[in-house]
Amino acid sequence: QQKVQQSPESLIVPEGGMASLNCTSSDRNVDYFWWYRQHSGKSPKMLMSIFSNGEKEEGRFTVHLNKASLHTSLHIRDSQPSDSALYLCAASGNNRIFFGDGTQLVVKP
Amino acid sequence: AQTIHQWPVAEIKAVGSPLSLGCTIKGKSSPNLYWYWQATGGTLQQLFYSITVGQVESVVQLNLSASRPKDDQFILSTEKLLLSHSGFYLCAWSLNRGDERLFFGHGTKLSVL
Repeated sequence: QQKVQQSPESLIVPEGGMASLNCTSSDRNVDYFWWYRQHSGKSPKMLMSIFSNGEKEEGRFTVHLNKASLHTSLHIRDSQPSDSALYLCAASGNNRIFFGDGTQLVVKP
Repeated sequence: AQTIHQWPVAEIKAVGSPLSLGCTIKGKSSPNLYWYWQATGGTLQQLFYSITVGQVESVVQLNLSASRPKDDQFILSTEKLLLSHSGFYLCAWSLNRGDERLFFGHGTKLSVL
């Protein structure tokens, strides 16, 4: 059973638009949530992390976490074509790190 | 600064042949080390992790094995490759328990024919 579910599977947004990605863990033993970005043919790179309830903003990226529902979301405002990539959500605890299947984001010029 | 080097960059191997992939981390002592596998367009699947030399925990059995012969080295291997082993293999490290931000190597693309 997949421990981390991401939605949508794919997303197309216009340049300058807002992209919203969702992620939920079914494992209550997780402590931390991570968002990674993986460009085609490359390795994933950590984008943002969140450990406590609430919101965290870094530039054009905002991440939310609701620990009670184990739900996190990533929002990208003023999306750019260079943001086109696979966005992976991960949940971790006890040296186990589970990744979701990812959301493929395409930003159209 | 910490660096992670993975080798080889790509491999084309025959079914039934052996395989050895490696990674080395420099600039960080006693990191947690991980092996991940990603099928083309697929999910990142954690295969093994190690928190110290000589100790490796298996997460998923894919007819692969891993070893940590030195503090800064992690090896993934098998004696007999299957077609299903094709994919992208990623080595990663993290600081320690409680901060599991992963730093990935560039990966090895493996094609089994």
